[in-house]
Amino acid sequence: DAKTTQPNSMESNEEEPVHLPCNHSTISGTDYIHWYRQLPSQGPEYVIHGLTSNVNNRMASLAIAEDRKSSTLILHRATLRDAAVYYCILRGIQGAQKLVFGQGTRLTINP
Amino acid sequence: DTAVSQTPKYLVTQMGNDKSIKCEQNLGHDTMYWYKQDSKKFLKIMFSYNNKELIINETVPNRFSPKSPDKAHLNLHINSLELGDSAVYFCASGRASEAFFGQGTRLTVV
Repeated sequence: DAKTTQPNSMESNEEEPVHLPCNHSTISGTDYIHWYRQLPSQGPEYVIHGLTSNVNNRMASLAIAEDRKSSTLILHRATLRDAAVYYCILRGIQGAQKLVFGQGTRLTINP
Repeated sequence: DTAVSQTPKYLVTQMGNDKSIKCEQNLGHDTMYWYKQDSKKFLKIMFSYNNKELIINETVPNRFSPKSPDKAHLNLHINSLELGDSAVYFCASGRASEAFFGQGTRLTVV
């Protein structure tokens, strides 16, 4: 399983944008980049995923570097509810397609 | 309507007991999973089933036995519980694009 590297923790202020980085230098051509988050006392929750192009949905945007060795999850206007652990995961299209979670980034939002 | 539901939410039991955790999904997915989150908060896959067939078993002790009576259910039975089994267990179902997780079952072995 290709590995990802994320900062252990980040802090931001409410109503400001947040950029969560992820490095995945050993990504293969068929690996999708997935982001999940885990709010306190809850199960992980899907946020967004992409392959090569930048992606937007109602929760966030995903910016993927041209060489695909890094990506950034963008929360456009953080709220207190966005405080969570954010996981960047590579997921292949072959085989069992399991999600391999790393340590993630613990995001703290200040009021 | 809860997409992935697990019961019970909390389970406290003594060492040596046998217990089961139930999981049901109403999303029509073919694939279901069990994950374990330990006290250090690492989430690790244990099992995956696709169409009632076991496809992933991540070197989990034999005391753990998943059972999938149909595509919508994946139950986890644990024999001879040990202190180290204390953790939060998450069931999930999914497709290639995304997985949906239950709320978790906090198992405490005393």
